[in-house]
Amino acid sequence: LAKTTQPISMDSYEGQEVNITCSHNNIATNDYITWYQQFPSQGPRFIIQGYKTKVTNEVASLFIPADRKSSTLSLPRVSLSDTAVYYCLVEGGNTPLVFGKGTRLSVIA
Amino acid sequence: DVKVTQSSRYLVKRTGEKVFLECVQDMDHENMFWYRQDPGLGLRLIYFSYDVKMKEKGDIPEGYSVSREKKERFSLILESASTNQTSMYLCASSSTPTGLYEQYFGPGTRLTVT
Repeated sequence: LAKTTQPISMDSYEGQEVNITCSHNNIATNDYITWYQQFPSQGPRFIIQGYKTKVTNEVASLFIPADRKSSTLSLPRVSLSDTAVYYCLVEGGNTPLVFGKGTRLSVIA
Repeated sequence: DVKVTQSSRYLVKRTGEKVFLECVQDMDHENMFWYRQDPGLGLRLIYFSYDVKMKEKGDIPEGYSVSREKKERFSLILESASTNQTSMYLCASSSTPTGLYEQYFGPGTRLTVT
């Protein structure tokens, strides 16, 4: 049973910032929030992980409010190559990852 | 760079055949996982293993078994393949007792059972 809820699909134009929000109302104290990206015919690839506040790397930013019941993956200035499925997961110390259905992002020229 | 390899990218088998899907990782990871992915259903966990000779059922273990005789190798076995096992199978590994750190996925095996 997936612990997260995220939109099924999103569309964006090239060059725009894309924000994908994920709800995880039952997140536990020891859970981390992790996002994966999957291109067609490939396995998922880790993008970013955070516990609270904000995390940024070369690919994306992750914003987590104080109550941690949701999180937002932010992709700056997307390009066509960012078209993929994005998965939001919460994971703790003693359970394996549970992938939901993800958000299918389509970037349009 | 972590590398997870799977024995075949594409496989076609007949109903009733015994099917072996092999996965090998080269980073000495303790944990290995088998998922299947179907359109509209996302990734679903079949089995996972935290150590050699250990295995745990995931969400959909029915019709599958696994083997982990060596740390680097995790095999998924379909004892008697059926058409509803036609799917993309993904193997992954990670270096912590659970999935807290990133899982590294293989390229997948697209299995068709006719």
